[in-house]
Amino acid sequence: AQSVTQLDSQVPVFEEAPVELRCNYSSSVSVYLFWYVQYPNQGLQLLLKYLSGSTLVESINGFEAEFNKSQTSFHLRKPSVHISDTAEYFCAVSENSGTYKYIFGTGTRLKVLA
Amino acid sequence: DAGVIQSPRHEVTEMGQEVTLRCKPISGHNSLFWYRQTMMRGLELLIYFNNNVPIDDSGMPEDRFSAKMPNASFSTLKIQPSEPRDSAVYFCASSPRTGANEQYFGPGTRLTVT
Repeated sequence: AQSVTQLDSQVPVFEEAPVELRCNYSSSVSVYLFWYVQYPNQGLQLLLKYLSGSTLVESINGFEAEFNKSQTSFHLRKPSVHISDTAEYFCAVSENSGTYKYIFGTGTRLKVLA
Repeated sequence: DAGVIQSPRHEVTEMGQEVTLRCKPISGHNSLFWYRQTMMRGLELLIYFNNNVPIDDSGMPEDRFSAKMPNASFSTLKIQPSEPRDSAVYFCASSPRTGANEQYFGPGTRLTVT
């Protein structure tokens, strides 16, 4: 069975500093990987996704994530964070086997400090 | 596009009462997902539909929960009778097709059962 682990429940970081949010998964088949962001009192929004091809994927607001098959990881990074990046970030995996279900990690709360 | 619409946004009810949550997916999407989010258990998939047909309801916690999708533009999640432990934020999400495509989340319904 597939699973997703986000080791860090909270990550405080100062504004303009770099950040990495870690995500590891387990699956016996090939997968699709996603990062979603949830701002307070809102639903989840897709940040970026890996389906196939280049292992480095980017979002429009400066985040990037790299799929590492050997380490079964999909860590999210941003070289310089803003106050507005304060939110909860969820990693999700979907097996490429027709099950159509997403498994979400427990989330990482990113707090950007002034 | 209006996005996924959920109603009500907030619901407060007494234990034992019936609760009905509603969702209107994005037009043209043929997959619909119901999730529950709590601090203790994170984001859990309850059930999902494909072309109005329930595909996987293994996440439905017990018989008090039921979900229907009578047509492509409407779904309900019903809890009868409700219990305090059902207090959570319930999200509906839709997807243009199952598998790799991302899910679009509604704003959620915050349910409080007293």
